[in-house]
Amino acid sequence: AQSVTQLDSQVPVFEEAPVELRCNYSSSVSVYLFWYVQYPNQGLQLLLKYLSGSTLVKGINGFEAEFNKSQTSFHLRKPSVHISDTAEYFCAVSDPGSEKLDFGKGTKLTVNP
Amino acid sequence: ETGVTQTPRHLVMGMTNKKSLKCEQHLGHNAMYWYKQSAKKPLELMFVYNFKEQTENNSVPSRFSPECPNSSHLFLHLHTLQPEDSALYLCASSQDGGSTQYFGPGTRLTVL
Repeated sequence: AQSVTQLDSQVPVFEEAPVELRCNYSSSVSVYLFWYVQYPNQGLQLLLKYLSGSTLVKGINGFEAEFNKSQTSFHLRKPSVHISDTAEYFCAVSDPGSEKLDFGKGTKLTVNP
Repeated sequence: ETGVTQTPRHLVMGMTNKKSLKCEQHLGHNAMYWYKQSAKKPLELMFVYNFKEQTENNSVPSRFSPECPNSSHLFLHLHTLQPEDSALYLCASSQDGGSTQYFGPGTRLTVL
């Protein structure tokens, strides 16, 4: 099983500011990496995923993430956030072919006007 | 309906009640999952079904009983629950056991 660390439990930012949500995982030869978003009273929605190939992954709603194998990180970024981005963001990791998806504890992003 | 649906969305039950949570996926997937989401804890995988066969039981107490009659439907039968079982229960599905999982909206369960 992977250990997934989301270093910031809460991140407050102002609207139109850039944001980075950090995610680190325990080392492995190869991994699949995911970011999910959960809006209040809803389930988890897939934002983006890294399975292989380019280390810079673009997702929905203007988010992107970069896989850094040497630092075992998969940080999520957005250059300019909106009020509607207020939600909880979860990083998840799995070993290729495994049914188990290991989640971090989540980061609550609050975008203020 | 599209995606993964769950019913009911909210459930309040006493410790002696028996109830069931239902999940249905409309994505043509063959693997389905139950997760528990409690406050301040990572999502916990409870059960995995692949082609209707249970392939994972993550040390879940027997008061939770899953059922997967076909690859589109998944149930979680609940009986004699404890207040600490109050949580958001999420269902997910994927094309294969190791591929991207898609989640339903969850059932918010409160045990009194």
